[in-house]
Amino acid sequence: AQRVTQPEKLLSVFKGAPVELKCNYSYSGSPELFWYVQYSRQRLQLLLRHISRESIKGFTADLNKGETSFHLKKPFAQEEDSAMYYCALSGRGSYIPTFGRGTSLIVHP
Amino acid sequence: DTGVSQNPRHKITKRGQNVTFRCDPISEHNRLYWYRQTLGQGPEFLTYFQNEAQLEKSRLLSDRFSAERPKGSFSTLEIQRTEQGDSAMYLCASSSDRGRGGELFFGEGSRLTVL
Repeated sequence: AQRVTQPEKLLSVFKGAPVELKCNYSYSGSPELFWYVQYSRQRLQLLLRHISRESIKGFTADLNKGETSFHLKKPFAQEEDSAMYYCALSGRGSYIPTFGRGTSLIVHP
Repeated sequence: DTGVSQNPRHKITKRGQNVTFRCDPISEHNRLYWYRQTLGQGPEFLTYFQNEAQLEKSRLLSDRFSAERPKGSFSTLEIQRTEQGDSAMYLCASSSDRGRGGELFFGEGSRLTVL
């Protein structure tokens, strides 16, 4: 069975501070990991995928298979980063992601 | 293309009534998903279609729930004999097997309130 754990329901930081949203997973094979974001009054949308190794809006995430983690990081938070962030996992060969419960990020001015 | 479209956006019903939600995916997407989301939780998988075939259903899905995708285009999710525990946001998403692997495009959701 696959499982995604986001231990923090809420993360509150000031503008310019570093941000790390934690995600741990449980999966016996090689997973595909994603971060989705939902801004206020907008639909859920993909932020980034581990397989792309890209930086989107200053965010990066590295898959650590030893620690089974996929934490989302940004060195300097901006107010417009305030949103709900969901970590998601798909098993290899599966097209159905399992989502974590989400972390609400609030960036104060 | 305006993206994935869901309607109605809000539905209030009395316990025991049937409700139906509709999802229009992005036109070239062959995969379609239904998820349910309750307060404080992430999206929970309900069912998945590839074209018109329903390939996977969550074991948690009650037999009061049924979904269809005739002709592989729009999809409907019907809940029969609604219960208060069915109150949730119902999310539809679509994806393409030719696009970036794993990226789901979500609709705005249909919020169900069962009184």
